[in-house]
Amino acid sequence: KAGVTQTPRYLIKTRGQQVTLSCSPISGHRSVSWYQQTPGQGLQFLFEYFSETQRNKGNFPGRFSGRQFSNSRSEMNVSTLELGDSALYLCASSRGQGEDEQYFGPGTRLTVT
Amino acid sequence: EDQVTQSPEALRLQEGESSSLNCSYTVSGLRGLFWYRQDPGKGPEFLFTLYSAGEEKEKERLKATLTKKESFLHITAPKPEDSATYLCAVQALDQGAQKLVFGQGTRLTINP
Repeated sequence: KAGVTQTPRYLIKTRGQQVTLSCSPISGHRSVSWYQQTPGQGLQFLFEYFSETQRNKGNFPGRFSGRQFSNSRSEMNVSTLELGDSALYLCASSRGQGEDEQYFGPGTRLTVT
Repeated sequence: EDQVTQSPEALRLQEGESSSLNCSYTVSGLRGLFWYRQDPGKGPEFLFTLYSAGEEKEKERLKATLTKKESFLHITAPKPEDSATYLCAVQALDQGAQKLVFGQGTRLTINP
């Protein structure tokens, strides 16, 4: 069965711009979570969507937002990009029940110049 | 605040030399502890989930164990292809079920 896919894989943006990243979960998975990975902070939880509703949120500013569609695909948006937003953005999918394991995509490498 | 600390930060072993990686955690109530493997330029790959103290799980050369305050990932007779960063993460009972708190990882290198 196909894994989690993320597009695009690489992005270069300029400070002040906005960006949208896309994630397609494993078929049958209804939960999509987003994480930011940087060398200094490691992997940090951004938010989780389940059945088109944001169910949980991490400690990131409001510039980071997301949504989920009826087919469980999810998008993440970052507005007014800052240099510190340069990171690997990972999405993970799961069935969304209890302690289900999450399966990660390959990530989108965002560079802000 | 939920915290996960992994040690050592980096570990170099010779092929066949067994060792253990440590993950200590502070959480109000543990829902689950997860081990992942991450290769450079890729997303984390799921390895194990542990739920309660005393639980053990094995997969090929890897064995994960859990106590009330820490987890160990034992690597027996490792091969060069086991080289990767190993990540530990916890889910807390008082947080959303899908929120994982990760440690900084242990970068493992196996020399042939």
